Amino acid sequence: EVQLVESGGDLVQPGRSLRLSCAASGFTFNEYGIHWVRQVPGKGLEWISGISWNGGYIDYADSVKGRVTISRDNAKNSVYLQMNSLTVEDTALYFCAKSGGLGSFFNWLDSWGQGTLVTVSS
Amino acid sequence: EIVLRQSPGTLSLSPGERATLSCRASQGVSSNKLAWYQQKPGQAPRVLIYDASSRATGIPDRFSGSGSGTDFTLTISRLEPEDFAVYYCQQYAISPFTFGPGTKVHIK
Repeated sequence: EVQLVESGGDLVQPGRSLRLSCAASGFTFNEYGIHWVRQVPGKGLEWISGISWNGGYIDYADSVKGRVTISRDNAKNSVYLQMNSLTVEDTALYFCAKSGGLGSFFNWLDSWGQGTLVTVSS
Repeated sequence: EIVLRQSPGTLSLSPGERATLSCRASQGVSSNKLAWYQQKPGQAPRVLIYDASSRATGIPDRFSGSGSGTDFTLTISRLEPEDFAVYYCQQYAISPFTFGPGTKVHIK
């Protein structure tokens, strides 16, 4: 069974940094892309970043570009999201999700974690 | 960036009725790389349809997707009580991936 477990969410002050982790199991991790999607409570979904199976393709939403870095460690079956210069607009539930197809970055998201909550407030 | 618009914003229907949800893209979605997700309160989204018309594993056949180019539709043939939820379309043809604002299907 595919499992994705996010961690690292916390209450932080504006301007601080946070590192989110996504631990995966139940599939051949190094064959699939992983993405991060966030959701402000009560609002819609926003894709913020994705990384291909080998880290060779990475992209970010404009809303986080320059402040966020995605990375993966295939030996640890994990993906990370380093978030810097956080603002109150970054307050959201952050989901990691597995790409639905082998290899390509450009696939649907077929499995999701339950999310980790990031709250940015002074 | 491809902007997705969903209509209607809210759909009030009774169990057993047919639901038709629309997703319109600001430009053509190449290779029909469009997915539909269902989200219930307190839960993560779940993929229903990918590549515009392919049903994801384990999804009942009352869910179907159609369309191409800029206009896509999710149809639920007969609503079951567990289908009342929010539905999002998403394009993954070009990065950044984008989601529509969602359609809430609630019980009339």
